[in-house]
Amino acid sequence: GESVGLHLPTLSVQEGDNSIINCAYSNSASDYFIWYKQESGKGPQFIIDIRSNMDKRQGQRVTVLLNKTVKHLSLQIAATQPGDSAVYFCAEKVGFQKLVFGTGTRLLVSP
Amino acid sequence: EPEVTQTPSHQVTQMGQEVILRCVPISNHLYFYWYRQILGQKVEFLVSFYNNEISEKSEIFDDQFSVERPDGSNFTLKIRSTKLEDSAMYFCASSGGWGGDEQFFGPGTRLTVL
Repeated sequence: GESVGLHLPTLSVQEGDNSIINCAYSNSASDYFIWYKQESGKGPQFIIDIRSNMDKRQGQRVTVLLNKTVKHLSLQIAATQPGDSAVYFCAEKVGFQKLVFGTGTRLLVSP
Repeated sequence: EPEVTQTPSHQVTQMGQEVILRCVPISNHLYFYWYRQILGQKVEFLVSFYNNEISEKSEIFDDQFSVERPDGSNFTLKIRSTKLEDSAMYFCASSGGWGGDEQFFGPGTRLTVL
């Protein structure tokens, strides 16, 4: 079946800490994964993506890790800031274009 | 920076009424999508649209729903005979290329069915 799930519904960190948000996916045929950030009242905002032929990809302060063996995806945010507080979704591309989203993890950053 | 826009931001309607949600995708994009998010739940795919026809749809997207690109800039989602359970945030998205390209999301329309 198709399902993407997140292990932790809420993650609380201190400003300056590194954050790690995890995601499990079930469709071993998926070849493209995306992390989105959603702030209250807004649409999902692209953070970073990764294709299945890679196991790591870095952006500005963010890193995505993909472990295809255990079908696990993680998002690492370095030096977390209060502006990073939001709900984070992983999504996998199933078929040609359809994105299947996970349930979301709320990241709370305390100053 | 180009962005996807959606109108209205909030739509309130009576059960059984028809609503049309509007989107203006990013101008050079070729693929258009609708997703919905029921309050507190995850974002769910509804439909994708390319070359003036539906390319993929979910089981949620039944005969109650239809999409249209009436002109060169707008992309609409019509919901006929709305039900209470249609209350949700509806997000439009667009992407430029085939498969795997980043989907840019609009700010959403909150639909409330009374």
